[in-house]
Amino acid sequence: RKEVEQDPGPFNVPEGATVAFNCTYSNSASQSFFWYRQDCRKEPKLLMSVYSSGNEDGRFTAQLNRASQYISLLIRDSKLSDSATYLCAGNFGNEKLTFGTGTRLTIIP
Amino acid sequence: EAGVVQSPRYKIIEKKQPVAFWCNPISGHNTLYWYLQNLGQGPELLIRYENEEAVDDSQLPKDRFSAERLKGVDSTLKIQPAELGDSAVYLCASSVGYNEQFFGPGTRLTVL
Repeated sequence: RKEVEQDPGPFNVPEGATVAFNCTYSNSASQSFFWYRQDCRKEPKLLMSVYSSGNEDGRFTAQLNRASQYISLLIRDSKLSDSATYLCAGNFGNEKLTFGTGTRLTIIP
Repeated sequence: EAGVVQSPRYKIIEKKQPVAFWCNPISGHNTLYWYLQNLGQGPELLIRYENEEAVDDSQLPKDRFSAERLKGVDSTLKIQPAELGDSAVYLCASSVGYNEQFFGPGTRLTVL
């Protein structure tokens, strides 16, 4: 089993809708988590750090559920520009990030 | 603030040829990472440097891959000889300690 797993999608969502992705992890020795956004043929860009208390940045909300070992990303009022691949990453105490395969999101006009 | 710089952006070589990639991290970032990303996959760590010391190279195929960061600033990743399966995007990232990592644009390698 991979340390970090994501549904690769694609998720095709109409503009204005709310969409949520989960990312599960198998190593309970997790220290920190992140969501990255990656546009086609571009590098990953940090979207949000994920805190135990949850955090919100505009239309984006990230949450961490340690008991069930998953993190989530919620996007409200989705825009066409939100179309991208969303990568989750975890630091499991070895000071390196382990990435999931990414979830591809397409917002449909 | 300038981001992570990588060159070249694209490289096409024939198998068994050598190839080198260069990375200049964000100024002041002491930790530098080299990742490999295959299509449809997330980045996978090859090597991590703290200043000039390689602190994690467990995933680096040392028979053909090598890396250096001699002065603790910019870094070079080399493959010699390249194989068909090495075709991928090679990403460099940097951070202050083990905080958020910032990625460069990557080098897209095609081995023919």
